[in-house]
Amino acid sequence: GENVEQHPSTLSVQEGDSAVIKCTYSDSASNYFPWYKQELGKRPQLIIDIRSNVGEKKDQRIAVTLNKTAKHFSLHITETQPEDSAVYFCAASIKRQLTFGSGTQLTVLP
Amino acid sequence: NAGVMQNPRHLVRRRGQEARLRCSPMKGHSHVYWYRQLPEEGLKFMVYLQKENIIDESGMPKERFSAEFPKEGPSILRIQQVVRGDSAAYFCASSPETGDGNQPQHFGDGTRLSIL
Repeated sequence: GENVEQHPSTLSVQEGDSAVIKCTYSDSASNYFPWYKQELGKRPQLIIDIRSNVGEKKDQRIAVTLNKTAKHFSLHITETQPEDSAVYFCAASIKRQLTFGSGTQLTVLP
Repeated sequence: NAGVMQNPRHLVRRRGQEARLRCSPMKGHSHVYWYRQLPEEGLKFMVYLQKENIIDESGMPKERFSAEFPKEGPSILRIQQVVRGDSAAYFCASSPETGDGNQPQHFGDGTRLSIL
């Protein structure tokens, strides 16, 4: 089955700096890659997604890149703010089954 | 447009009892997914259902766990004879009907199951 690895597990940045979270996947059949933000005790919230026919997607301060050949994808958050602090999960999808990474605890220091 | 609704938010059961978790998908969504999240871990896929059909249950434990999504009413995740290891947050997600399967899954607030 699919295996998704996510790094780093924790990340601290100064407010205003950029944050990058990286994921790799194992199954080349995966064709959809969403990113979720989860605050403590809350639901995972979809923040951005990318499909396998696209290499990059941007939405305001958030961007995702996908390298199908290398089977890795990354989340980039620019101009970080304290409210960006949360756990971020990447995921890869085959036939609607999402396989999640283990999460990155992002802390934005004021 | 109401989001994915799960209830109860918190459920406490004693070992050996049954737990029933409910999920109503977003309006217009016909696909439901259940995931389990252990503390400080990622979400693990359990089962994918459409109305009256289980499409993929490859993540479901072989015993004690079952899921349904009847023609009328919410999807139900049922855990029989619960054990301490079943303590977790159970999240439901839904997505609309599409041809390519690459549609966002939107999550509910989850049910936190605690086994005494």
